[in-house]
Amino acid sequence: DQQVKQNSPSLSVQEGRISILNCDYTNSMFDYFLWYKKYPAEGPTFLISISSIKDKNEDGRFTVFLNKSAKHLSLHIVPSQPGDSAVYFCAASEGGSNYKLTFGKGTLLTVNP
Amino acid sequence: KAGVTQTPRYLIKTRGQQVTLSCSPISGHRSVSWYQQTPGQGLQFLFEYFSETQRNKGNFPGRFSGRQFSNSRSEMNVSTLELGDSALYLCASSLNPGPYEQYFGPGTRLTVT
Repeated sequence: DQQVKQNSPSLSVQEGRISILNCDYTNSMFDYFLWYKKYPAEGPTFLISISSIKDKNEDGRFTVFLNKSAKHLSLHIVPSQPGDSAVYFCAASEGGSNYKLTFGKGTLLTVNP
Repeated sequence: KAGVTQTPRYLIKTRGQQVTLSCSPISGHRSVSWYQQTPGQGLQFLFEYFSETQRNKGNFPGRFSGRQFSNSRSEMNVSTLELGDSALYLCASSLNPGPYEQYFGPGTRLTVT
């Protein structure tokens, strides 16, 4: 049972345009969400997070939107740069003592010059 | 500040053997989590240690175990290896327990033949 789903295995965008990566979840107990990116041969790197009390969090070129009623979150990258090409993972956590992270399977983003 | 280090980086073992992987967290980080990454299942949480105590555990069989030492370094052990244990094993550290920003190491690639 996959509780965090990234339905697009890959996404290709032009440099300078917006990249939108999507993530859906099924567990209504999730209340904290994170995005990580991963380059080949490296571990994932934290990008941005959002708590369920917010619907938007912004950090430079990266913005995460959370729609709790739809159990959906998205990561916007504006403008996209070739160095953003990587696999992006969405992760979610329940509150309280059961805070282990549940990851989606990732979306490979390719930003073309 | 040095990042999370994992040793060894690559390992080949035979079915039925056991293996021990090591993780050194970022200096000052007291929480260490372990993940298994496979093409089919993605990133899956194994367990988390803080102050030498296991705080959270994922849905893995008892063949997977871990421990943390007083200097926060952690080891994970897999006994009676199976072919399906072939994976990238990632360690992540953070200052304190919780779902918040974690810093990942490059991983140990385990191949079971």
